[in-house]
Amino acid sequence: AQKITQTQPGMFVQEKEAVTLDCTYDTSDPSYGLFWYKQPSSGEMIFLIYQGSYDQQNATEGRYSLNFQKARKSANLVISASQLGDSAMYFCAMREAYTGANSKLTFGKGITLSVRP
Amino acid sequence: NAGVTQTPKFRILKIGQSMTLQCTQDMNHNYMYWYRQDPGMGLKLIYYSVGAGITDKGEVPNGYNVSRSTTEDFPLRLELAAPSQTSVYFCASGEPGLQETQYFGPGTRLLVL
Repeated sequence: AQKITQTQPGMFVQEKEAVTLDCTYDTSDPSYGLFWYKQPSSGEMIFLIYQGSYDQQNATEGRYSLNFQKARKSANLVISASQLGDSAMYFCAMREAYTGANSKLTFGKGITLSVRP
Repeated sequence: NAGVTQTPKFRILKIGQSMTLQCTQDMNHNYMYWYRQDPGMGLKLIYYSVGAGITDKGEVPNGYNVSRSTTEDFPLRLELAAPSQTSVYFCASGEPGLQETQYFGPGTRLLVL
């Protein structure tokens, strides 16, 4: 079974509107972390936001927020007030097991977001 | 502070050739990683290292080798390149910890013909 599932093939949003990018995950580990990365057309991977499995509140970072629904095992990224520069590929990733040797990220396949002017 | 640097940025190899992808970080991170990203896909872990002299296989290690003689450097070696190794390769570094993010290099685009 896939650990990270991103099924939206591509998303379009009008500039200045909000958009939600979906991510579901699968783990039996009670302790895990969830990450979102942005990959613009230039190719670099940019860290956006982090959510811990024990965090009581949804994470927020500027225009980015994470809608964390633990029982549903979903960690959707919400981008408010979209900008043209938000057009990129977005990856959800998970880290399981708070142990040094297993500090690895598992990535989803990504979602392409296009912001229309 | 350059972060994570990778060389080369782009390379074309012939089938059967070998090459080394270089990765250097200046953040004194203990953990370093090599990923590959195939078109339209997420990143898959090739190898990782938890410190100088210690390396371990990731999800897709076949056809690759790594070494970690210093904290800063983590080169990835391709022996006998195959078309299936055409991909974008990312090096990353970080520290252990559930919420520690990984810092990525700019990537190396490799084409094997």
